[in-house]
This record gives sequence, structure tokens and C-alpha cells, in this order.
Amino acid sequence: GAGVSQSPSNKVTEKGKDVELRCDPISGHTALYWYRQRLGQGLEFLIYFQGNSAPDKSGLPSDRFSAERTGESVSTLTIQRTQQEDSAVYLCASSLGRGDYGYTFGSGTRLTVV
Amino acid sequence: QQQVKQSPQSLIVQKGGISIINCAYENTAFDYFPWYQQFPGKGPALLIAIRPDVSEKKEGRFTISFNKSAKQFSLHIMDSQPGDSATYFCAASENTPLVFGKGTRLSVIA
Repeated sequence: GAGVSQSPSNKVTEKGKDVELRCDPISGHTALYWYRQRLGQGLEFLIYFQGNSAPDKSGLPSDRFSAERTGESVSTLTIQRTQQEDSAVYLCASSLGRGDYGYTFGSGTRLTVV
Repeated sequence: QQQVKQSPQSLIVQKGGISIINCAYENTAFDYFPWYQQFPGKGPALLIAIRPDVSEKKEGRFTISFNKSAKQFSLHIMDSQPGDSATYFCAASENTPLVFGKGTRLSVIA
């Protein structure tokens, strides 16, 4: 596609429920990143996929967070047993590959846990 | 541990003035320093970037100044316009996922 597509754009969920967020990267981009943006906290790195290599999960805040990527296409970020502190905008970005820092971000999914 | 410290948190500039946003880093292995611009409801977009082998890079009204010895870099927006009102993020990397500052909300008033 022309850009990085994320869905849903907004998600309201009850505390304790699981949520899945989806990211469609730009075709041909082998690198995919997930970041979390809390109000006033900047962008917090969560996880990085590069081709068929093992993902860099060093930014995941707890074992309630997980992500998968199918080959070099769609990625899903799953948050289990959501908590109110998980409320944030979740941003996905893709780039041509490792060493290419021209990230293209999607518009994000705004997650609200009530 | 905050690896990239950005200031100020918010900035108000008159139309036509110069906007200056500063960032400081600690990791001397960082070798790429971009600035991203984010409008409400949108994801950040790459604005301009610099590598440590140069001290300044200019693209149109946007300039990055880089001071390797001080471990600081800054974004200058010349002739600031209301359309520049957005949140700006500095970032840094050493062949790893970008580490971002906390952002500066810029408001350019007429």
C-alpha cells in the first residue's frame, strides 16, 4: 500500500479483556516496529521485526504483551488482561530494513482501557 | 533511563520567528540523529536527520546543529509559520530501533 495502515484507529476495552492491534506495513519494507505513545511520554519502543530473524522483544513491558508478524507483511500486537496503564496510542512503523532509519509510521491505534 | 533528553516541553513562537528545540544524549555510540514531526491524530513523520560526521545540515527552513563533544543536537526552524505548529521529537540510534525524546509541542502564533 501507499503507507502504513493500522486498525482499529480507536479501541475502547474493559479492564481485563484481551485486545489485538493490527499493522499493515509498506510493501517491500522488511523492518517493522511497534512503539507506544503515552501522553507526554514520547515514543516508547516495544518490539522490532527484521525479515525472518528472531524479533527484538526487549521493549515489551510485561508478559501480557506479545506480537507476531507473518513473513514480511502484517503484524499483530496482542495485549492480554488489559490494565488502565495500557491506555495509550500504539504506533507501528516500517522501513526498508536494518540500518534504514527512514521510518514510516501509521496513524496509530488509540487504546482506552476503562 | 532516558537516553535522549529533549527540551523545552512546549514552545510558543511568533510567526516569522526562529523556533529552537534541543536534545542531549548520553550514548556516544549513537550515529544517527533524526527529527520527526507529528500532527494531531497522525503518526510522526521524518523531517530531517544528521550523522555525527557533520556539524550542520539544512533543508529549507529546517536546520540541525550537531555538537559531538557536548553530545547535543538541536533543530532550528527559521521563519516559523502557523503550519509548523506540531509536536517535534528528536531521536537517536546505533543500528538499533530509534530511541525518542519526549517531544516538544510547538505553537506558532500569528
